[in-house]
Amino acid sequence: DAGITQSPRYKITETGRQVTLMCHQTWSHSYMFWYRQDLGHGLRLIYYSAAADITDKGEVPDGYVVSRSKTENFPLTLESATRSQTSVYFCASSEPLVNRETQYFGPGTRLLVL
Amino acid sequence: DAKTTQPNSMESNEEEPVHLPCNHSTISGTDYIHWYRQLPSQGPEYVIHGLTSNVNNRMASLAIAEDRKSSTLILHRATLRDAAVYYCILRDVNNFNKFYFGSGTKLNVKP
Repeated sequence: DAGITQSPRYKITETGRQVTLMCHQTWSHSYMFWYRQDLGHGLRLIYYSAAADITDKGEVPDGYVVSRSKTENFPLTLESATRSQTSVYFCASSEPLVNRETQYFGPGTRLLVL
Repeated sequence: DAKTTQPNSMESNEEEPVHLPCNHSTISGTDYIHWYRQLPSQGPEYVIHGLTSNVNNRMASLAIAEDRKSSTLILHRATLRDAAVYYCILRDVNNFNKFYFGSGTKLNVKP
């Protein structure tokens, strides 16, 4: 399927466990992003990547780790999950063409940390 | 980082036009104005964007004030499917990789 996919779509874990959320895009976009959306709020940027092996922090990076060994994949790892990381996580990708750049979002992963 | 201000919620009747306002008084000359919307239980989707001139596409129109301190997203005929949260976002062309979503405007469309 073409587009951007996320897995799992739903995840329940316990405090202290490591969790990895997967993101895959088929457009070969250079940029990929991870956002979190807490209940009733807008999205906040966690990390982004400009290309394979290039990543940088966003607004709320603490407690998260990312990697990008291949252009099409951008996994997000919670090294030791905390209850405050209960949220909906969205992955996005874009191709940075000035005046044309839009971000394409995945369907989201709903994470509950008990 | 440039910020935007939007009403928390708005209501419209089906098949009527909807004007969604956004204030961005601290906008800089290199900021593009983007609008995204988020349907229930989905990721955000692109609606429209512009810099200075008004813009039209198949989804909506974007009216930008002459001083660029405000803009209005116009849905010409609201449908039930347009019920969503609409986000007005400023994107700096020199720092385009970062989007700052505010709380957005929740649009309710009544049949």
